[in-house]
Amino acid sequence: AQSVTQPDIHITVSEGASLELRCNYSYGATPYLFWYVQSPGQGLQLLLKYFSGDTLVQGIKGFEAEFKRSQSSFNLRKPSVHWSDAAEYFCAVAIITSGTYKYIFGTGTRLKVLA
Amino acid sequence: KAGVTQTPRYLIKTRGQQVTLSCSPISGHRSVSWYQQTPGQGLQFLFEYFSETQRNKGNFPGRFSGRQFSNSRSEMNVSTLELGDSALYLCASSPLKDGSGQSPLHFGNGTRLTVT
Repeated sequence: AQSVTQPDIHITVSEGASLELRCNYSYGATPYLFWYVQSPGQGLQLLLKYFSGDTLVQGIKGFEAEFKRSQSSFNLRKPSVHWSDAAEYFCAVAIITSGTYKYIFGTGTRLKVLA
Repeated sequence: KAGVTQTPRYLIKTRGQQVTLSCSPISGHRSVSWYQQTPGQGLQFLFEYFSETQRNKGNFPGRFSGRQFSNSRSEMNVSTLELGDSALYLCASSPLKDGSGQSPLHFGNGTRLTVT
């Protein structure tokens, strides 16, 4: 069955440190890939997306993600974390099912940033 | 452009009651999807509507239903509420016309439903 796995439920980093959030998917082809961020009491905001082409994609707020087909992964990175990055991060894929696209989300990674 | 608007923001209901949640998509967006978000479960897909037709449905019981109006506004209804229905319900809209997965979802801030 198609699925998205975010193996880290919680991650804590110090402000200014680098960050990598992991995401793996299970699907027979390359899906469309997304990262979203959710601040407390808010909906989800799109950080970046990958459809095809260059496997390193840049997003908003200084985030980037790298697609690795061989590992079925789409990890999110940021070189230097800011306190305002504390939030929950969701990886998602869009796959075709019954002729239309359906989105599957991971269970999320909650990021805590230490001052 | 106004974002996705969900009303109400908070709801408290009693077991056995029913509830209706509302979602107004971004102007011009014709696809509306609903998700249930609970701690540890992430976002679970409920259903998606496009041009007043349900196009996809998740694995939820028949107590969960929805509809979309001609102006693309959508409602979801949960009947005979159970304690386990307590969750954040998120609505998302997308401009896609042909079901292309390349149109990201735009989310509202959600309705927090508490069932006591």
